[in-house]
Amino acid sequence: SQTIHQWPATLVQPVGSPLSLECTVEGTSNPNLYWYRQAAGRGLQLLFYSVGIGQISSEVPQNLSASRPQDRQFILSSKKLLLSDSGFYLCAWIDSGLSTDTQYFGPGTRLTVL
Amino acid sequence: AQSVTQLDSHVSVSEGTPVLLRCNYSSSYSPSLFWYVQHPNKGLQLLLKYTSAATLVKGINGFEAEFKKSETSFHLTKPSAHMSDAAEYFCVVSRSSKTSYDKVIFGPGTSLSVIP
Repeated sequence: SQTIHQWPATLVQPVGSPLSLECTVEGTSNPNLYWYRQAAGRGLQLLFYSVGIGQISSEVPQNLSASRPQDRQFILSSKKLLLSDSGFYLCAWIDSGLSTDTQYFGPGTRLTVL
Repeated sequence: AQSVTQLDSHVSVSEGTPVLLRCNYSSSYSPSLFWYVQHPNKGLQLLLKYTSAATLVKGINGFEAEFKKSETSFHLTKPSAHMSDAAEYFCVVSRSSKTSYDKVIFGPGTSLSVIP
């Protein structure tokens, strides 16, 4: 069966520090991968999505970036964090080989920028 | 264009009473529709999905939803609320195209409280 992991589970970082969040999927190949952010008391905001290695689409211009160095690995990064980057970051995947477009979500990373 | 409206930002029910979470959608295509649940500080878990098969969809934990094209609705129901149902619920509309991500739209969410 397929599983999705996110690391770390929680993170507290000072303003101006770098960021690296990792998402990995097991049990599937060539998934579509997504990064969302959920600010406190708000809905989900799509940040990036990827349909393959090295292919990244950005939905919201900001100080974040994403990379997909391997088929089942998706990384969210920042060179300098802002206070507004605080939130709950969720990774999701879709099996591109199936007819379904169901998204499956990871457990999330809680980021607090101080 | 697609859009999703969740009519109630917060719903409160007593344990053992029925749950109704409302969702209306707008789509230029035949959409796929989903309900997800999110418990505090957890990821989103798929409750159920509609993909143009049966209009009444049964999901996990006793939840079900009915697709009504004439009303453009996909309301989530459960006959009897349990304390563990307290969570945030998201309605999602999606175009069935894995290469066209911009067609996946999340509703703003409904917070469900269950009173003992």
